[in-house]
Amino acid sequence: QKEVEQDPGPLSVPEGAIVSLNCTYSNSAFQYFMWYRQYSRKGPELLMYTYSSGNKEDGRFTAQVDKSSKYISLFIRDSQPSDSATYLCAMIRNSGNTPLVFGKGTRLSVIA
Amino acid sequence: EADIYQTPRYLVIGTGKKITLECSQTMGHDKMYWYQQDPGMELHLIHYSYGVNSTEKGDLSSESTVSRIRTEHFPLTLESARPSHTSQYLCASSGDRGRNQPQHFGDGTRLSIL
Repeated sequence: QKEVEQDPGPLSVPEGAIVSLNCTYSNSAFQYFMWYRQYSRKGPELLMYTYSSGNKEDGRFTAQVDKSSKYISLFIRDSQPSDSATYLCAMIRNSGNTPLVFGKGTRLSVIA
Repeated sequence: EADIYQTPRYLVIGTGKKITLECSQTMGHDKMYWYQQDPGMELHLIHYSYGVNSTEKGDLSSESTVSRIRTEHFPLTLESARPSHTSQYLCASSGDRGRNQPQHFGDGTRLSIL
């Protein structure tokens, strides 16, 4: 079993829809959680960075962390065609010098 | 805004050539990373460094080597390129040691070996 599981999709939604992207993880040592957005032929871009359980909102994006269930989510409200990209979750253990562990990424298409 | 630069963006080259992919960051980050990513596939960590003269191999075995002589510079070298090395190579950096800061990525080098 991989440490971080993420459904690769693809996920196709109409413009204006609410999108829910999810990751589960198996290691309770993960304490810091990130969501990245990657457009085709570009590097991943940091969208959200959270530590504690609960919600963090930034514009149309909300990151949710449930450490008791080992489950994180990214919600996109009023989705736009420009949101079409691959979304990767990532997390770090709370033990100092360890690299990020990434999910496989979910490919999202928002159709106008 | 993260400032991390990779050159070249694209490289098409013949088998057997020695290749160096450049990565530089202007943020003074201690930690730097190299990932390999095939189109539409997941990221694989191949090398990382937590400071000058420190390098480690990542999760994915790679025939490449890296060096970290200066904080801002983390080049990746393939001594003899082969078609199996065709991929996208992404460089990243993150903040101070022990603070678990998120990584910031460059836009990658797309490498094609003929």
